[in-house]
Amino acid sequence: GIQVEQSPPDLILQEGANSTLRCNFSDSVNNLQWFHQNPWGQLINLFYIPSGTKQNGRLSATTVATERYSLLYISSSQTTDSGVYFCAVLYAQKLVFGQGTRLTINP
Amino acid sequence: EADIYQTPRYLVIGTGKKITLECSQTMGHDKMYWYQQDPGMELHLIHYSYGVNSTEKGDLSSESTVSRIRTEHFPLTLESARPSHTSQYLCASINRRNTEAFFGQGTRLTVV
Repeated sequence: GIQVEQSPPDLILQEGANSTLRCNFSDSVNNLQWFHQNPWGQLINLFYIPSGTKQNGRLSATTVATERYSLLYISSSQTTDSGVYFCAVLYAQKLVFGQGTRLTINP
Repeated sequence: EADIYQTPRYLVIGTGKKITLECSQTMGHDKMYWYQQDPGMELHLIHYSYGVNSTEKGDLSSESTVSRIRTEHFPLTLESARPSHTSQYLCASINRRNTEAFFGQGTRLTVV
């Protein structure tokens, strides 16, 4: 099966800082999504980004499919950005998740 | 807002009881998934379905079973709950273009 690995596992920043989260995957995929899990456990889809770059406000994502990685950028972090960020790929009908990056934004 | 619902939100149950966790979506999605997750940790796929009358086991061995008799309904059953089943269970569906997955709010199960 496919392996999905995220780094770093934990990230602690001050409000206003920028951050980059990485997702590597071990096989070719044409479907990659980024999610945010808030402190109450709810998972929200942030991006569908099989290739290229997308931006939504302070968040943007880039996937380089040929090199099997994706990056999530968060600029001017706010405390509400805290939580766990997951990437996931659809592979052989399964939605496979990485182990997540826990982001803590301190005021 | 996602139209995928899980009930109950919280459940405390005694060892040996049979339980069914409900998951329903009103979006007509074919693909549905069950995950087990300890708080803030990795999501482990335990079951999935790509349509009515199709169910498959995921990557994490689980003593639970699922059924998919209707498109909108994907319940998960534990025949005999044990303390090791204590966890959060998340249900998800993905749209037909495979561009967006939607998650329910989860069921936090505690087996005492």
